[in-house]
Amino acid sequence: QQQVKQSPQSLIVQKGGIPIINCAYENTAFDYFPWYQQFPGKGPALLIAIRPDVSEKKEGRFTISFNKSAKQFSLHIMDSQPGDSATYFCAASGGTGGFKTIFGAGTRLFVKA
Amino acid sequence: GAVVSQHPSRVICKSGTSVKIECRSLDFQATTMFWYRQFPKQSLMLMATSNEGSKATYEQGVEKDKFLINHASLTLSTLTVTSAHPEDSSFYICSARGRGGSYNEQFFGPGTRLTVL
Repeated sequence: QQQVKQSPQSLIVQKGGIPIINCAYENTAFDYFPWYQQFPGKGPALLIAIRPDVSEKKEGRFTISFNKSAKQFSLHIMDSQPGDSATYFCAASGGTGGFKTIFGAGTRLFVKA
Repeated sequence: GAVVSQHPSRVICKSGTSVKIECRSLDFQATTMFWYRQFPKQSLMLMATSNEGSKATYEQGVEKDKFLINHASLTLSTLTVTSAHPEDSSFYICSARGRGGSYNEQFFGPGTRLTVL
């Protein structure tokens, strides 16, 4: 029940395309859903996060869509660039887990020039 | 703001030795710090959670006598891998949560690559 399932495992898009990464959770007590970007050999960096009281949040080219009833959320990257090539992790925290963050398995994104 | 540093960034050691990794919050007080390990092409696995001045809480399957965590101040936590073996080779990442702001938000360090020969 603490798992966060992420798909796809890998994704290749052309420059300018809109990659979409999906995540699903089971624990309805989760109340914070961040997305992290990680480049090889570096720590993850927070991209954008959402709470269940909103259905969408946009920051720059990154948008989170959140469906509370389906217990799913997704990351959309608008006008993707080669520099966006990285591994993206969705995550969830809150509820009885407190501040512990549960990570999805990750999606390796490659944006072709 | 909200910068977390780790030292060293890379360490190579011989099997049987102990290695200490430091995690510092540079511009905020970290009430809680987390330690993760990450194997190549895999996700982050939480090892333990530590609150300043108290004992760390380890995740199931993590040996507390092997991975010693000390969170002695609001800006410093250390992870010591004792009697390291090649299977301990991994990327170790810390994160920190501070007072104020979003209570869930964590800031990650750049990671430490440990290679045990």
